[in-house]
Amino acid sequence: GESVGLHLPTLSVQEGDNSIINCAYSNSASDYFIWYKQESGKGPQFIIDIRSNMDKRQGQRVTVLLNKTVKHLSLQIAATQPGDSAVYFCAETRNTGGFKTIFGAGTRLFVKA
Amino acid sequence: DTEVTQTPKHLVMGMTNKKSLKCEQHMGHRAMYWYKQKAKKPPELMFVYSYEKLSINESVPSRFSPECPNSSLLNLHLHALQPEDSALYLCASSQQGALGYGYTFGSGTRLTVV
Repeated sequence: GESVGLHLPTLSVQEGDNSIINCAYSNSASDYFIWYKQESGKGPQFIIDIRSNMDKRQGQRVTVLLNKTVKHLSLQIAATQPGDSAVYFCAETRNTGGFKTIFGAGTRLFVKA
Repeated sequence: DTEVTQTPKHLVMGMTNKKSLKCEQHMGHRAMYWYKQKAKKPPELMFVYSYEKLSINESVPSRFSPECPNSSLLNLHLHALQPEDSALYLCASSQQGALGYGYTFGSGTRLTVV
């Protein structure tokens, strides 16, 4: 079946380094992608999004890259901080007669001080 | 107000009980969602409401019954649940049920079925 998945289940980085979290998707008809951050005991928090007609979008310390040719999405976090430690999910919004957002498996990011 | 509020935060119920989960938002969002999340797994979509009408039901068992009384409230009625239904239930909202709108999630209700 179609899915949104992640290459790395866990990622450990040193404070101050840059982090890259990757995601593969299989539905070529997907039009909209979102990265969410989920901290322990909380719901997912919107980080950044990108539409399928773009290949890059930047926010504050975060950048999302979309490669539609290979169906790959990545989240780059610059100067990673301890507060960035969380589980990160990529998500894909599809129109199946109604719009629904499907989440990928998630990557846990550990930031070492 | 930029939050989605879910109550209760924790719920323990027996398999013969009837209970309800509540979700409230005052951001003027017209789409609301229920997700189920098991430990160390991604959220799984259950229901989508758009303009107070159910638009998507992801083949959820009938022991879960959603209700959207108005544009600010979303309920999930629970009846005759099974222990495997124990999970974190997340409510979310978005401006519209369309492309280009990220979701605002509540902190969830942690449900334990005994």
